[in-house]
Amino acid sequence: DIQVTQSPSSLSASVGDRVTITCRASQGISNGLSWYQQKPGQAPTLLIYAASSLQSGVPSRFSGSGSGTDFTLTISSLQPEDVATYYCLQDYTTPYTFGQGTKLEIK
Amino acid sequence: EVQLVESGGGLVKPGGSLRLSCAASGFTFSSYSMNWVRQAPGKGLEWVSSISSSSSYIYYADSVKGRFTISRDNAKNSLYLQMNSLRAEDTAVYYCARVIAAADTDAFDIWGQGTMVTVSS
Repeated sequence: DIQVTQSPSSLSASVGDRVTITCRASQGISNGLSWYQQKPGQAPTLLIYAASSLQSGVPSRFSGSGSGTDFTLTISSLQPEDVATYYCLQDYTTPYTFGQGTKLEIK
Repeated sequence: EVQLVESGGGLVKPGGSLRLSCAASGFTFSSYSMNWVRQAPGKGLEWVSSISSSSSYIYYADSVKGRFTISRDNAKNSLYLQMNSLRAEDTAVYYCARVIAAADTDAFDIWGQGTMVTVSS
């Protein structure tokens, strides 16, 4: 099975900061990685698919990059509404595996 | 409006059974692969099972293999998860999620609101 290691587990940043979250897969997964945002008490929502494609309706301050084993989610200018937990998912092959999550807070 | 609505959660004793349902609306359900994902209280997301649009391909996480069965009824626009031999560690919110209609990706673009399953004596 493919393991996914997400870092950091928590992050505190100021409004307007550039924020980066990373995921590393235990073996190559091409561009088979997606990113999700989950706010407290809500279901996850899709931000990025195929490593770098922005889901419709998602603000352009969110971007994804990477291929193979190393992937990054970037928020170019952090906004108060971005407070949430972020997860990556390797959807390249079953069993699909999520990263451990990154809890993002405002400083 | 594209929507997924789960139901069937509740409190069940260890060793018991429960059947979850996910009602789809606002899209052509029969054209999409579907998944179940769960989240234990205060924990991260865990993929549980996947089923292709025509039920030809079905996959399970090792943690539920042999105990859970995913199925769908395209005529009723519904997805199901039959859960048997339930354990305390199956306690979680269970989400159904749709696979995006895009090439070369199995990302989950639509999620339901979740249904809570509690396994306790």
